[in-house]
Amino acid sequence: EAGVVQSPRYKIIEKKQPVAFWCNPISGHNTLYWYRQNLGQGPELLIRYENEEAVDDSQLPKDRFSAERLKGVDSTLKIQPAELGDSAVYLCASSLGIPVNYNEQFFGPGTRLTVL
Amino acid sequence: SQQGEEDPQALSIQEGENATMNCSYKTSINNLQWYRQNSGRGLVHLILIRSNEREKHSGRLRVTLDTSKKSSSLLITASRAADTASYFCATDNKNTDKLIFGTGTRLQVFP
Repeated sequence: EAGVVQSPRYKIIEKKQPVAFWCNPISGHNTLYWYRQNLGQGPELLIRYENEEAVDDSQLPKDRFSAERLKGVDSTLKIQPAELGDSAVYLCASSLGIPVNYNEQFFGPGTRLTVL
Repeated sequence: SQQGEEDPQALSIQEGENATMNCSYKTSINNLQWYRQNSGRGLVHLILIRSNEREKHSGRLRVTLDTSKKSSSLLITASRAADTASYFCATDNKNTDKLIFGTGTRLQVFP
């Protein structure tokens, strides 16, 4: 069974440039998450989707970050413009979403972003 | 923001020894999970313990949960070099239904 797929695996850009990350969750998983993981830290949630709906985007810096999950399957996360502090690993995860108190998430390998 | 902290931040042991990692958290939870992250790979779910459980086993892993102290421990018995990784606890917050990760313990197992 295929796991969560993310691309690209690595991205190096100059500050002020745009960048986009793509995620394909496990088939049948309704819930999709984007996390950011800074060096030496645990992942922090940016946004959570239930199907097409963003149900928790409270941690997403909306001035420069945007995300979409148009058909309730694949998702993209965009940063425009990127800043030096955005350098991190961006992780996508998915889960069945039910029951709500059993929240095992399956993670992709992540995209390591370096902003120069 | 991080929910809690793992202790120790880093741990080095020899193959065959046991490794114990601790996690403290701050709010009421539905469950607590442990994840492993190898260098260059995503996080892998290891074990989940519900708030009404006190101990759980899975292979060489043993997890305990003390909700009165808001703490959990992960014990890896008879460690192997392949256990070298970062280990994170994550709590499923009762009020927000959000999985919040700790800061991680970096485990190094020497052959």
